[in-house]
Amino acid sequence: GQQLNQSPQSMFIQEGEDVSMNCTSSSIFNTWLWYKQEPGEGPVLLIALYKAGELTSNGRLTAQFGITRKDSFLNISASIPSDVGIYFCAGPGGTYKYIFGTGTRLKVLA
Amino acid sequence: ETGVTQTPRHLVMGMTNKKSLKCEQHLGHNAMYWYKQSAKKPLELMFVYNFKEQTENNSVPSRFSPECPNSSHLFLHLHTLQPEDSALYLCASSQDRMNWVAGHKNNEQFFGPGTRLTVL
Repeated sequence: GQQLNQSPQSMFIQEGEDVSMNCTSSSIFNTWLWYKQEPGEGPVLLIALYKAGELTSNGRLTAQFGITRKDSFLNISASIPSDVGIYFCAGPGGTYKYIFGTGTRLKVLA
Repeated sequence: ETGVTQTPRHLVMGMTNKKSLKCEQHLGHNAMYWYKQSAKKPLELMFVYNFKEQTENNSVPSRFSPECPNSSHLFLHLHTLQPEDSALYLCASSQDRMNWVAGHKNNEQFFGPGTRLTVL
């Protein structure tokens, strides 16, 4: 079945550093969503992408819809301690549903 | 209340108990979803409801029984669960059920905070 591969699985970074993570699919997508989940909470939608090549920002976060339509990238600039959490990508997984990646766990060291 | 709310936030139950999880969305959406989130596994879709009708049952065991009385409320009734059912159960809603013909803002899902379920 369809799979979403996210990398890296986890990251430890220093406060102030930039972060990059990506998600790849075995099939072509027309939508990519990026979510963040903090401990004890549900995922929160960060950025939605609908067009190949699209680059969208939300504050210090920037996401891109890959040209091949099989990948997407999320960048966080100048990380701060509250960026800690698990970042998930999601895309179409069949009729009426999404599939989610396994997540990138981010830890920021002050 | 705004967004998607879930109660209870934490639940501990024995394998012979019967309990229910509740989800309510205040976004005026028409589609609601139940997901299971286990450690180190991707979110697993369980059920999808669109305009109160179940449109997806992702091969979920019958010990999980969903109910959607209206577009704003979704329940998950639990009975005779197993320890491996312990997980975070997340509810989500979207404006409409997914339409993949073209990417559309109505496809965006919004999640509740989840119910952390422990089955002893």
